[in-house]
Amino acid sequence: GQSLEQPSEVTAVEGAIVQINCTYQTSGFYGLSWYQQHDGGAPTFLSYNALDGLEETGRFSSFLSRSDSYGYLLLQELQMKDSASYFCAAPEGYGQNFVFGPGTRLSALP
Amino acid sequence: DADVTQTPRNRITKTGKRIMLECSQTKGHDRMYWYRQDPGLGLRLIYYSFDVKDINKGEISDGYSVSRQAQAKFSLSLESAIPNQTALYFCATSDRTSGSDYEQFFGPGTRLTVL
Repeated sequence: GQSLEQPSEVTAVEGAIVQINCTYQTSGFYGLSWYQQHDGGAPTFLSYNALDGLEETGRFSSFLSRSDSYGYLLLQELQMKDSASYFCAAPEGYGQNFVFGPGTRLSALP
Repeated sequence: DADVTQTPRNRITKTGKRIMLECSQTKGHDRMYWYRQDPGLGLRLIYYSFDVKDINKGEISDGYSVSRQAQAKFSLSLESAIPNQTALYFCATSDRTSGSDYEQFFGPGTRLTVL
């Protein structure tokens, strides 16, 4: 099975660059997804890494290192609207259901 | 119109009552999921269905049952609700046929309170 760990909270000021880490323990590895969830809202998909390296989508980037069982989400030019919880998720197996990490609550300060 | 809908959005019930939460999707996705979210515990998988005839238990299926009535509909039932089933419940879909099942689309959630 999968086990994912994330920091519970991250705080940064507007305009900063923020990194949210995710480490995983797996019996096999098939990729890492990231989701954003605002208070009272539903999770929404941000990015997916199947291979090592950096994937960029606007101000958001996601990085994966399979050899280190580690990934991170990078937010550039932090904005107040980025205050939310962020979850990493990995599949149990090839084509199987995803397991979610406990989530990191990001607070942006003015 | 929302692609993934859940009904009801909020429900308060009493211990021992049978409750059904419904999920419908217009995305044409083959895979559907039910998650439970508790503060600080992230999203935990209750049941998932990869097609109408394929239903699987997730991490926390005890006390729950599901029905996949059609490709577009996936219902979650609590046969005899108990207070520790008070939580936020999400339905989600993904599309295996397009090869992008790493992206799940979530409904707005149902907030269930069991007294």
